[in-house]
Amino acid sequence: AQSVTQLGSHVSVSEGALVLLRCNYSSSVPPYLFWYVQYPNQGLQLLLKYTSAATLVKGINGFEAEFKKSETSFHLTKPSAHMSDAAEYFCAVSVTGNQFYFGTGTSLTVIP
Amino acid sequence: GAVVSQHPSRVICKSGTSVKIECRSLDFQATTMFWYRQFPKQSLMLMATSNEGSKATYEQGVEKDKFLINHASLTLSTLTVTSAHPEDSSFYICSARRTGRKGDTQYFGPGTRLTVL
Repeated sequence: AQSVTQLGSHVSVSEGALVLLRCNYSSSVPPYLFWYVQYPNQGLQLLLKYTSAATLVKGINGFEAEFKKSETSFHLTKPSAHMSDAAEYFCAVSVTGNQFYFGTGTSLTVIP
Repeated sequence: GAVVSQHPSRVICKSGTSVKIECRSLDFQATTMFWYRQFPKQSLMLMATSNEGSKATYEQGVEKDKFLINHASLTLSTLTVTSAHPEDSSFYICSARRTGRKGDTQYFGPGTRLTVL
């Protein structure tokens, strides 16, 4: 079975500061891992995905995530937060590409 | 990137009526689409998996007679909420699975806000 845990339902950072959103996964087989962003009243937009190639994955809007098998983690980072980054972020795991298991989400607030 | 659309974006209906939501993959063919439901400030809950040309697979606890899913073509899946009640009010999001050399990815629609009065 697969599952995802996102530590911290709310994260606040100052504009220009480092963004770190945590995601730990559980999977009995090598997983695919995803980060999605959701703006209010909108669907989910794919930020990046890990598919067993490079462990450091670069996504859109300056985000990146590193797959660490030993820590079963896939944390999302961005060196410098922008006001437009304020949104809800979801980590997801999939084995077959079919069924996705989502974390409970992390709400990011950017303080000017 | 892949584009998935949903229509309508918002719908308000009276209790007891039925509502149809469309999900379209605009620039790729999707043999598999998914329907999710999202309650305020919560994560997405998978309702059902829609396969083109066959019956949908429903998750445990989801009433298949209430949430009718039809996947008639490779670019269109519909969700019909039958005899809607206020507790069915929610944000419904669809996604379409795109198969690629680097693995499969789900691309999500913008969601449909359903309000049942």
